[in-house]
Amino acid sequence: GAVVSQHPSRVICKSGTSVKIECRSLDFQATTMFWYRQFPKQSLMLMATSNEGSKATYEQGVEKDKFLINHASLTLSTLTVTSAHPEDSSFYICSARFHLNTEAFFGQGTRLTVV
Amino acid sequence: AQSVTQLDSQVPVFEEAPVELRCNYSSSVSVYLFWYVQYPNQGLQLLLKYLSGSTLVKGINGFEAEFNKSQTSFHLRKPSVHISDTAEYFCAVSGEDDKIIFGKGTRLHILP
Repeated sequence: GAVVSQHPSRVICKSGTSVKIECRSLDFQATTMFWYRQFPKQSLMLMATSNEGSKATYEQGVEKDKFLINHASLTLSTLTVTSAHPEDSSFYICSARFHLNTEAFFGQGTRLTVV
Repeated sequence: AQSVTQLDSQVPVFEEAPVELRCNYSSSVSVYLFWYVQYPNQGLQLLLKYLSGSTLVKGINGFEAEFNKSQTSFHLRKPSVHISDTAEYFCAVSGEDDKIIFGKGTRLHILP
């Protein structure tokens, strides 16, 4: 299957700082990328959908200014958690699709801990 | 908008016994259905998918699922589980809005 690489796998940052998470599709061009957040022992909550070259579409309740998503190319999307606080600590997972209504391929996830 | 219901949060089953993980969906348009598996602290791996065609779908690791439109279900089955199947299993649905929505997950617990 296609490979999606997410980096870093773990990050610890101080409260008030910003953290950038990268998501790359290594062997295919992803027209759409998704960012999810997962709390311990819970399901994946869709945060936003991004298409290359356009603004991300955020789900209701997700703060656009806090979770900045950039999809600069067909193989790279980034999620920046700005002014992070301990409540932002979570497991963040990205995924990418070839095109509409095919399966999504997932990155390995990023464990963010804000101290 | 589409939604997914996984009624069982946990399913314990003895090793080498069969298992069924239930998934029901709701959608007003044609759907595409997926089962993913997640091992601890990892991303998700696709087990199988239904996009069109045969309603019985076979996936990796001996899993299969059947799409039942009249019952709006997509249950996952395996005839004989192994200890390595211990994981969290997520059913997901995608419609015309390009989003993939996940159920709450079912933890498969294999008993020795």
